[in-house]
Amino acid sequence: AQTVTQSQPEMSVQEAETVTLSCTYDTSESDYYLFWYKQPPSRQMILVIRQEAYKQQNATENRFSVNFQKAAKSFSLKISDSQLGDAAMYFCAYHPTGGQNFVFGPGTRLSVLP
Amino acid sequence: DAGITQSPRHKVTETGTPVTLRCHQTENHRYMYWYRQDPGHGLRLIHYSYGVKDTDKGEVSDGYSVSRSKTEDFLLTLESATSSQTSVYFCATQFRGSSDTQYFGPGTRLTVL
Repeated sequence: AQTVTQSQPEMSVQEAETVTLSCTYDTSESDYYLFWYKQPPSRQMILVIRQEAYKQQNATENRFSVNFQKAAKSFSLKISDSQLGDAAMYFCAYHPTGGQNFVFGPGTRLSVLP
Repeated sequence: DAGITQSPRHKVTETGTPVTLRCHQTENHRYMYWYRQDPGHGLRLIHYSYGVKDTDKGEVSDGYSVSRSKTEDFLLTLESATSSQTSVYFCATQFRGSSDTQYFGPGTRLTVL
């Protein structure tokens, strides 16, 4: 069974600094998608970034970028120039191509310090 | 946003009573999902639907049933609520399938006393 691990239950970062959230996953599939979702106190799940496993280039979305290491099954999220609005729970998720299930990690709670 | 609403947003009920949660989408997405969110577990899949009247079980389906009679509506029923089903429930939709992103509703907080 596929699993997703986020080894950092909580992290904090100073405003304007950079922080990296870790995610590892376990799968025997070769084709899949990986996601980072953000959940602010409003509870709404918001897509941050998405990566296709067949693409070697790391995805970026403005201040958010990933470091995708397929062989190591690692998918970390880097947030640059952190802002107070980045404070939230962040979930890493795995989705196999052709499958219907998303597998979520337990989440990392990020605090941004002014 | 994918135009997903959930009702009710909050509910308190008693053990043994049936409860139905509704998910409504306006995007004509084919796939719909129900998850529960509990501390330390992230989101876990309860049931999903890949079309009208087509549903399948997820990781934590015991004690839950679903129905999808229209593309836009996906109902989750707790046949006899238990305290272990106290959770936040999220509905999600997906347009085509595995290459697409899931979009989430705002969640329903359910408390079973």
